[in-house]
Amino acid sequence: GAVVSQHPSRVICKSGTSVKIECRSLDFQATTMFWYRQFPKQSLMLMATSNEGSKATYEQGVEKDKFLINHASLTLSTLTVTSAHPEDSSFYICSASRGGGRNSPLHFGNGTRLTVT
Amino acid sequence: EDQVTQSPEALRLQEGESSSLNCSYTVSGLRGLFWYRQDPGKGPEFLFTLYSAGEEKEKERLKATLTKKESFLHITAPKPEDSATYLCAVLWDDYGQNFVFGPGTRLSVLP
Repeated sequence: GAVVSQHPSRVICKSGTSVKIECRSLDFQATTMFWYRQFPKQSLMLMATSNEGSKATYEQGVEKDKFLINHASLTLSTLTVTSAHPEDSSFYICSASRGGGRNSPLHFGNGTRLTVT
Repeated sequence: EDQVTQSPEALRLQEGESSSLNCSYTVSGLRGLFWYRQDPGKGPEFLFTLYSAGEEKEKERLKATLTKKESFLHITAPKPEDSATYLCAVLWDDYGQNFVFGPGTRLSVLP
């Protein structure tokens, strides 16, 4: 069964508004979660690493003031797209490692399709 | 320089026609190679982890193998429900906990 839950699955918002996406680890605690972005027919691009109780680490080229990440508990990370614009429309996916060592696989949520009109 | 590549980009098979997908990597210090399946509009679903050359993993019609520079995902007698994009990802020493994904292979299995 699913080990990472992501909500909402789809969201449409108007340009200039903010959207929050939630990512939950269902039966384990995740001190680290990862946020990816995926464009059509392209692979996953890491946006940022979400660390429980501390600031997120952003990849080069990702605006931290636009993509706010909060990891307030061991089972929940949120990504807020602030002042969204049409170019922010994309498929956003979160992931977490269930444990078992530093080389354990990532498990992914089902993604959020964001459309900014 | 691309560190993780996959081929072919797209593959169409008839039901029952076995084939292999390739994932090549150019990094050293491999800590793990991971295969995922992704259906349209969904997040990737974990399939296999391979940690060392010579290792093999199997699940139903899928078998993953690993050498020092590449991995193969063999699909035996595929069915239409095996149609999906198959992604490989690499974890290695110089990149911390960041998985690097290949571009994927879009597999279509025709009935």
